[in-house]
Amino acid sequence: TQLLEQSPQFLSIQEGENLTVYCNSSSVFSSLQWYRQEPGEGPVLLVTVVTGGEVKKLKRLTFQFGDARKDSSLHITAAQPGDTGLYLCAVPEGETSGSRLTFGEGTQLTVNP
Amino acid sequence: NAGVMQNPRHLVRRRGQEARLRCSPMKGHSHVYWYRQLPEEGLKFMVYLQKENIIDESGMPKERFSAEFPKEGPSILRIQQVVRGDSAAYFCASSPQRGLNTIYFGEGSWLTVV
Repeated sequence: TQLLEQSPQFLSIQEGENLTVYCNSSSVFSSLQWYRQEPGEGPVLLVTVVTGGEVKKLKRLTFQFGDARKDSSLHITAAQPGDTGLYLCAVPEGETSGSRLTFGEGTQLTVNP
Repeated sequence: NAGVMQNPRHLVRRRGQEARLRCSPMKGHSHVYWYRQLPEEGLKFMVYLQKENIIDESGMPKERFSAEFPKEGPSILRIQQVVRGDSAAYFCASSPQRGLNTIYFGEGSWLTVV
């Protein structure tokens, strides 16, 4: 059983469309991070959410942390081809939550021109 | 300000050989993490090191794998007697302090075992 379940696993949309991807768990977390990974590269941290119900915006990306701190969503408005990539959510674990990240398996997003 | 540097970017080894992957953290970062991404799987934590110390190695396979982060020089992930199942992308990350809110990943080292 995966600690973090990401859905959908794959998503292919046209440029200009909106989309939402999800990261769900039955566990409660102190914080949650979203990353984007492009082919042949390492993941890049997009945002860290800490407070239940928190909403953070990064240009056309809106991140929300669930009220109970068990889940999160990423909404992209007016998607562009440059948004194509693997979107990963991750939570810190280990002593004082400072030693390791556990990742979901990701949502592979393709935005077609 | 250079990012996390990993080399080699691509490495091919025959079964039974040794693989050494190097990671130079960002300037000023003394915390290094190694992750592995197997084909069709997510990123999995392997080990967390701080200069000369292994802090958390709970994700390291019990045999053939070792990691170090010496006082001088890069962190090294060493895989002895490689097998085909070791073929994966290995990512290094670094942070300036304990805690994962400011963590930066390198571009990865792709190991292929033939």
